[in-house]
Amino acid sequence: GIQVEQSPPDLILQEGANSTLRCNFSDSVNNLQWFHQNPWGQLINLFYIPSGTKQNGRLSATTVATERYSLLYISSSQTTDSGVYFCAVEAGYKLSFGAGTTVTVRA
Amino acid sequence: NAGVTQTPKFQVLKTGQSMTLQCAQDMNHEYMSWYRQDPGMGLRLIHYSVGAGITDQGEVPNGYNVSRSTTEDFPLRLLSAAPSQTSVYFCASSGGGRMGEQYFGPGTRLTVT
Repeated sequence: GIQVEQSPPDLILQEGANSTLRCNFSDSVNNLQWFHQNPWGQLINLFYIPSGTKQNGRLSATTVATERYSLLYISSSQTTDSGVYFCAVEAGYKLSFGAGTTVTVRA
Repeated sequence: NAGVTQTPKFQVLKTGQSMTLQCAQDMNHEYMSWYRQDPGMGLRLIHYSVGAGITDQGEVPNGYNVSRSTTEDFPLRLLSAAPSQTSVYFCASSGGGRMGEQYFGPGTRLTVT
């Protein structure tokens, strides 16, 4: 199956800081999605981004499909941004997840 | 819309018992899937369905059965529970033709003793 690697595994931020999360994948994919899992376990879709750049408030994402990576940018981080961020790629109707980046934002 | 709903929220089973985890969605999505989440491993696909009457295996299907008799429901059956199946189980659905944006249910925390 497709291998998905996320970095860094853990990130500690001071409120207001900016950060970049990276997702590398091993093969061609049909689409790529970013999710946020909050401290209560709920998974929320942040971006559906097979290629290009998208922005949603303080979050933005860029996928370079030809080079098999995607980046998630968090700007002006807030404590509510804490949680685990997952990247997932789809090929053949199967979604493969990375192990996630755990983000802790301190006030 | 309720979105994707899962029942129960928590369950404790003894080794060898069977049970069904329920999943329903009211968005008329064709694609539905089940994942398990174990600490430090992200989510792994168990089974998926691209429409009523069609199911297929994911990455970790052993010990689980599924069926899809309606568009709305996609139950996951544990045939004979084992401690290795202790995990958090998530159901998801997506619409928009091919696989689109995934919507997840709240999860079921299962413990097998």
